[in-house]
This record gives sequence, C-alpha cells and structure tokens, in this order.
Amino acid sequence: GENVEQHPSTLSVQEGDSAVIKCTYSDSASNYFPWYKQELGKRPQLIIDIRSNVGEKKDQRIAVTLNKTAKHFSLHITETQPEDSAVYFCAAASSSGNTGKLIFGQGTTLQVKP
Amino acid sequence: DTAVSQTPKYLVTQMGNDKSIKCEQNLGHDTMYWYKQDSKKFLKIMFSYNNKELIINETVPNRFSPKSPDKAHLNLHINSLELGDSAVYFCASSRGGGNYGYTFGSGTRLTVV
Repeated sequence: GENVEQHPSTLSVQEGDSAVIKCTYSDSASNYFPWYKQELGKRPQLIIDIRSNVGEKKDQRIAVTLNKTAKHFSLHITETQPEDSAVYFCAAASSSGNTGKLIFGQGTTLQVKP
Repeated sequence: DTAVSQTPKYLVTQMGNDKSIKCEQNLGHDTMYWYKQDSKKFLKIMFSYNNKELIINETVPNRFSPKSPDKAHLNLHINSLELGDSAVYFCASSRGGGNYGYTFGSGTRLTVV
C-alpha cells in the first residue's frame, strides 16, 4: 500500500545550525511532495513543496531535494531559529484516482535551542 | 477572512453521544478532506469530497458519516462516540487533482469521556 516513512522522529539543534529531515515513499508514481509545519496547538501549514519534474527547490532558509530514483525527498533548514521549533510533516500525493489524497509521514519534532 | 474555518474548536462529550463538526472554505477549492490526528500526531485521511461527490472513503467505522451540501462545506457527523474517537479532526481543502497542497482548518479537538 501507499506509505511515507519520515526520519528522525525528533531532532534537537542549536540555534544557527542546520536541520535535515528525510522521507521515503513507496508509490513510484507519486509526483507531488509538500512539507507542512505544525506549531503547538495550531494547524499544519504548507511551507514548501516540490513536483517530480525538479530535483531541488529553495525558499530563503528552507530547501527541499527530491531523488525520484531512490524515492527519497528531504527538507533542509539552514540558520535555524527558535521559531523554527515545531512538528514537520512530509507528504506524498497518491497517484491513484487523481483524488489529491496526501499520504503523510509520521512527523518530526524539531527543537531549536537558543 | 479565515480561508478554512471549522466549528467547534473544542468538543467534550460523553461516550455514546452523537456530535457534528462543521467546515467551510472560501477559497473556491473543489476538493475538501477530513483528517484525523491522533495523540502521536499522525495525520490519517478519513474522507474526501470533490464538488459534493464522495471520492475517498478510507477504512473508517460507519459511525462516521460525512456530508457535503455544496463544494464550500463539508461536515462530519459521529454517532455513538467511543473513547478511541478522541483526537484532533482537521478539515482541509485543495484545488484537487493530486498536485496541490492543502489549506487546513484550525482543527476540532474532540475529547470523549
């Protein structure tokens, strides 16, 4: 079945360091990979996404890379700040039925220590 | 102007009761979803509607019944609530078609006692 694995489950970094979160997906036909940030008690919010026709996308301090052959994609956050502390979710769009269904990873709790 | 709004934000109820959660989006999106987020933060899809038509119905107990009166609204009714139904329920909308991100509602924290 469709599955997205996300690692690590928790990540603690010092302010200013970089953070990397990795995901693998099982559906080789998936072509859309968004990342969401969820602060405590809030809704998940889309922070960046990548489509299968590109290998990398950057938006200020965050970047996402995609390796379709290996079915891996990663989120990179540089110069981390305390306000980056949150739960981050990767997701992959299911290719079946053109429904827009997203399969989410298990989440990574990122703690940025000042 | 809230893009995706859910009511209520909190719901505390006793086992066996029936409750409803409402969701509305003003983004003009065609597709709406219900996701359940459990205590371990895992987001699992329950249902999806595209322009009032049910397109996703995951393995969910039939005590849960979604309803979409129009493409801007998606409600969730839960009968005979059980302790295990306690979770945060998120509504979301998207342009659909598999290549667009979601806009989530603020969530409904359901506690069954």
